[in-house]
Amino acid sequence: NSKVIQTPRYLVKGQGQKAKMRCIPEKGHPVVFWYQQNKNNEFKFLINFQNQEVLQQIDMTEKRFSAECPSNSPCSLEIQSSEAGDSALYLCASNLGDEQYFGPGTRLTVL
Amino acid sequence: QQKVQQSPESLSVPEGGMASLNCTSSDRNFQYFWWYRQHSGEGPKALMSIFSDGDKKEGRFTAHLNKASLHVSLHIRDSQPSDSALYFCAANSGTYQRFGTGTKLQVVP
Repeated sequence: NSKVIQTPRYLVKGQGQKAKMRCIPEKGHPVVFWYQQNKNNEFKFLINFQNQEVLQQIDMTEKRFSAECPSNSPCSLEIQSSEAGDSALYLCASNLGDEQYFGPGTRLTVL
Repeated sequence: QQKVQQSPESLSVPEGGMASLNCTSSDRNFQYFWWYRQHSGEGPKALMSIFSDGDKKEGRFTAHLNKASLHVSLHIRDSQPSDSALYFCAANSGTYQRFGTGTKLQVVP
């Protein structure tokens, strides 16, 4: 069973508010991914890290989204000014080799 | 944009029956496919990967890959109610995974 921990499980924000979620990857997994899963169950890759350094990120995350994965601290994903379209399940995953282990996700609702 | 299409969108099979799920990638740079299962309220869980042409069997699950057509299928024999979930395939191109559109499987007792 996956030991990726995500907090909080549920997050409710008003439009324009900041939304921050955290992820503790499995111990020893060097690569961490963030995905957005929308209400149609479609996955969108947001950003990934290897040993605290950003490997890739999509354009969306370069604007209102910010993420970091400091050593000895949880990884985090923050939306600076939430929009209704950001309502989704945010999934964190860590990799050992080519297998991804997912956390349970943070369900964000933007009112 | 490269796509990973899955079919059918939803599938209902009787308990003990065979469930067959399909997935096709338009990305010829893929290295391998993964199948994931996601139960309601949980994150996806990896079931199995396949990168060679032909079949790969793990317990009740068999994946079949045809690299020429970029098509992969997942067959679940002796389906159980606990198999009811969303199933995703993911094409891995070496940089990151591109997930498919998902198939909702319901196993009816």
